Parts: sequence; structure tokens; C-alpha cells
Amino acid sequence: AQSVAQPEDQVNVAEGNPLTVKCTYSVSGNPYLFWYVQYPNRGLQFLLKYITGDNLVKGSYGFEAEFNKSQTSFHLKKPSALVSDSALYFCAVRPPANDYKLSFGAGTTVTVRA
Amino acid sequence: DVKVTQSSRYLVKRTGEKVFLECVQDMDHENMFWYRQDPGLGLRLIYFSYDVKMKEKGDIPEGYSVSREKKERFSLILESASTNQTSMYLCASSAIGQGNYGYTFGSGTRLTVV
Repeated sequence: AQSVAQPEDQVNVAEGNPLTVKCTYSVSGNPYLFWYVQYPNRGLQFLLKYITGDNLVKGSYGFEAEFNKSQTSFHLKKPSALVSDSALYFCAVRPPANDYKLSFGAGTTVTVRA
Repeated sequence: DVKVTQSSRYLVKRTGEKVFLECVQDMDHENMFWYRQDPGLGLRLIYFSYDVKMKEKGDIPEGYSVSREKKERFSLILESASTNQTSMYLCASSAIGQGNYGYTFGSGTRLTVV
């Protein structure tokens, strides 16, 4: 069975500092990996994805994520965090052959202080 | 701009009531999903549908049913609402074979059962 782990419930950083949100996964075959962000009282917004190719993928709002197959990780990063990045972040994984089996992690709340 | 629209942002219902949550998408997507979101548990799949009148159980279907009579509309039904169904409900859609582009989510319905 596939699964996603986000080991940190909360991440707190100062504005301007680097931001990292951790994600590890378990899935059969090569994974399709996603990051979503949720602002208060809103639905999830797609940030970025890894399907194949370069291990470093770039997404919306200056975010990027690095796929590491040996460590089964897909950590989300931003070089310089903004207060407006404060939100709930979800990592998700699915196997390539199944459109319907997107599994989400529990989420990480990011707080960026001014 | 493509949209997934959930008819209600907030609902308060009484225990034992039959509750309908409505979702409409304007992207001509074949796949539609219902998730519930609870703190610390992330998103859990309740049901999904890959075509009109077709439905499949997700990970937590107990206490729920769904209806998809038209391609653009996917309804979640709580036959007899209970307090443990108090949650945020998220609808999503995707096109067949394009799940690698991620899902598009609605803004969510926060349901309180009293």
C-alpha cells in the first residue's frame, strides 16, 4: 500500500530565511509526487509535481522540490520565505498506472514570522 | 479560469438528517473525487467517479454515498448524519490520463453535525 509521511506538524521560520518542508513516501513502482498548499478556509492549490526527469522541480510562488529516490523523499524548499507563505502544505503520491489513487500526507503547517 | 465549485462553504446539520453536498466542475473532467480533511489525518478519499453513473469506494466510504447523474456534477450524501462526520469536505476533479497534472480542488465545505 502506498503512503506519505510528513514528519513535522509545524515548521516555523523567519521571513527571508530558507524554508524546508519534509516528505517521504512509499509506493509501488516509480512515484508521481505532488505538493499542494492550502490557505485558511480555502481548497488545495497545486504547487508542483515530479513525474520523471530532473530531480529538482520548480513550481509556483518560488517553490521547488527535490526528488531523492534512494531516500524516498520529496522535500519542498524555498530559498527565502515570505510571511504570505504561511499556510498548510500537503505532499501527495500516486503510482503511475492509477489516476485514482492519490494519497496525501497529514500536512505541515508553515508559519513565517516577520 | 477553470473551476470546481462546492455549493456551500459552511453547513450546520442535526444528527440523523440526510445531507447533500454538491460539487460542480466546468472543465469537462471525467474524474471526480470526494475527500474529507481532518487535522492530523490529512485528506482521506471517500468516493470517486470516473464517468457518469460510475462510482468507486475510496478509503473511508462508510456512512456516505454518492451520485453522478451528469458529468459536471458529483454529489456526496450523508444518509443519516452523525457527529463524527463533522469535518471539512473537499471535492476535486481531473481529466482521464492527465492525473499527472494533479487534481483541481474546490474551496471546501465545512460541515458541523450537532
